Amino acid sequence: KQEVTQIPAALSVPEGENLVLNCSFTDSAIYNLQWFRQDPGKGLTSLLLIQSSQREQTSGRLNASLDKSSGRSTLYIAASQPGDSATYLCAVRFLTGANSKLTFGKGITLSVRP
Amino acid sequence: DTAVSQTPKYLVTQMGNDKSIKCEQNLGHDTMYWYKQDSKKFLKIMFSYNNKELIINETVPNRFSPKSPDKAHLNLHINSLELGDSAVYFCASSQDPAPGQGPWETQYFGPGTRLLVL
Repeated sequence: KQEVTQIPAALSVPEGENLVLNCSFTDSAIYNLQWFRQDPGKGLTSLLLIQSSQREQTSGRLNASLDKSSGRSTLYIAASQPGDSATYLCAVRFLTGANSKLTFGKGITLSVRP
Repeated sequence: DTAVSQTPKYLVTQMGNDKSIKCEQNLGHDTMYWYKQDSKKFLKIMFSYNNKELIINETVPNRFSPKSPDKAHLNLHINSLELGDSAVYFCASSQDPAPGQGPWETQYFGPGTRLLVL
């Protein structure tokens, strides 16, 4: 069964810390992996998309890495700020044929304390 | 200039009623989706339409009927609402590659419709 796991479910850190959010998936045959951000009461915003042929993607203070062979991805957030507080979801598009779909993890709720 | 919009934003209704949620995207994408996010925040796909054709139906009760009048719209109609239908429903869209072509790009999500069945 193709699953995406994010542990821990919640994380609280003081402002300024560098932090790593983890994502693991059960099948290394993937098209791509995405990290999304969800603010309370809002929709999802795509942060970074890593194609299966790539190892990492960077956007500002965010860096996402992908290791297909071990079924892992990490989202690195540098110099965290209170505005980074949100739920971060990892989603994987597995190689299931023409009609593949995104499979989401349950998310990590991040709280950055001032 | 909203990319993916949904109406209504909130929906409170009685058990047994029939209701619809509308979704529109102005991104020119050919694929649209409905997702359900339950009380534990777990997001799961329900349906996917490509150019008005149903391509994914994830074991959703047949009380849920999506309708795509054109590729910019994907509406969700729910009959005989049950307490367990209470959730946040998200619409999304993307421009998907033809079979055998690549790559798959990101999906853009609407703000969600919060449904509460009493």
